[in-house]
Amino acid sequence: QVQLVQSGAEVKKPGASVKVSCKVSGYSFIDAGVSWVRQAPGQGLEWMGWINIYYGSTEYAQKLLGRVSITSDTSTSTVYMELTSLTSDDTAVYYCARDMPAATPVAFDCWGQGSLVTVSS
Amino acid sequence: QSALTQPGSVSGFPGQSITISCTGTSSDVGGYNYVSWYQHHPGKAPKLMIYGVSNRPSGVSDRFSGSKSGNTASLTISGLQAEDEADYYCSSYTSTNKGVFGGGTKVTVL
Repeated sequence: QVQLVQSGAEVKKPGASVKVSCKVSGYSFIDAGVSWVRQAPGQGLEWMGWINIYYGSTEYAQKLLGRVSITSDTSTSTVYMELTSLTSDDTAVYYCARDMPAATPVAFDCWGQGSLVTVSS
Repeated sequence: QSALTQPGSVSGFPGQSITISCTGTSSDVGGYNYVSWYQHHPGKAPKLMIYGVSNRPSGVSDRFSGSKSGNTASLTISGLQAEDEADYYCSSYTSTNKGVFGGGTKVTVL
């Protein structure tokens, strides 16, 4: 079955960077894009960006441009999301999600378990 | 890109139908038939309920249905059940090849 397994919780200081991994299994890695979504405490879901695994192309949310980078490693079927210059506003649960193959955009049909990133001095 | 607009909360009695709206612009909701809806129980990963405005993924109850008119999409839950109590988010593709979520709607079963 399709699975997305994320790396564990992280605690970072303001100004630091964090890199969260998302290892996928159960389908052909290059057949579906992967998106990243986060949820800050008490807030709603926020789309961060996505990567087309086949072409390696990416798109990012305007507010995160310059701080976020999504990459993939086809040898390990793993997608990475790195966020730099962290502030307390980046404290959130970060999810990776698969773009449903052969479906419309923003159809995220399988999700990772979430990774809590806490930014605190 | 501004978040799509959803009501903060909607409630209903078991067995009733409720509708959640999701309002965007012609650059997102109104411009494409690429609206999805997610159910989110606290502490769990979101679940895709509707994609492409009105399509249900395999395994999703037919009590959930989606539609769109102009810049507003809607999710209707028929025959409301206790297990439907959750947060619901809409999402849309945008003209800049990005995604955007709504602010979320808390559904309460009375």
